[in-house]
Amino acid sequence: KNQVEQSPQSLIILEGKNCTLQCNYTVSPFSNLRWYKQDTGRGPVSLTIMTFSENTKSNGRYTATLDADTKQSSLHITASQLSDSASYICVVSARYGGATNKLIFGTGTLLAVQP
Amino acid sequence: EPEVTQTPSHQVTQMGQEVILRCVPISNHLYFYWYRQILGQKVEFLVSFYNNEISEKSEIFDDQFSVERPDGSNFTLKIRSTKLEDSAMYFCASTPLGLRGANSPLHFGNGTRLTVT
Repeated sequence: KNQVEQSPQSLIILEGKNCTLQCNYTVSPFSNLRWYKQDTGRGPVSLTIMTFSENTKSNGRYTATLDADTKQSSLHITASQLSDSASYICVVSARYGGATNKLIFGTGTLLAVQP
Repeated sequence: EPEVTQTPSHQVTQMGQEVILRCVPISNHLYFYWYRQILGQKVEFLVSFYNNEISEKSEIFDDQFSVERPDGSNFTLKIRSTKLEDSAMYFCASTPLGLRGANSPLHFGNGTRLTVT
């Protein structure tokens, strides 16, 4: 069964600190892996997208890694800011042929950055 | 930067009533989607739409649901007879090239919060 598991479920850190969020997946056939940031009451916003051949991708203070062999990904946030407080969702795209892939969503990690 | 816009932001309706949720995808995008998120749960796929027809739908998207692109800009989700369990945040999303590539991020709107009483 295609699943995406994230850990931890929630995390509290102090402003300025770094943190790493984890994502494990059992999705086949794999197409790409996406990290989204979702502020409370808003739609998810794309942070990174990685294909099978990419090991790391950065977007400002966000760095995502992908190990396609172990089916694990991480999102590292450097020098956290209060505005980083949000839910971070790992989404894996499964290739089923045709024009439409299927996105499998994780339940997200709720990050709270405190002053 | 272009955005996916959704209206209304909040909709309260009584059980059994019909609701129409509206979305304006980004203008040069070709693939459109509806997702929903029940409070505290993960985002769930409802339906994808391409070339004026449904390309895929989930088991959630039963006969009570329908989608339409009535003109060149709007994309609507209709729930024919709402149930209490339809209460959720409904997100519209669009992408220019489908979901295969790394160059095709999915852009979400800010959602419509539907409350069925």
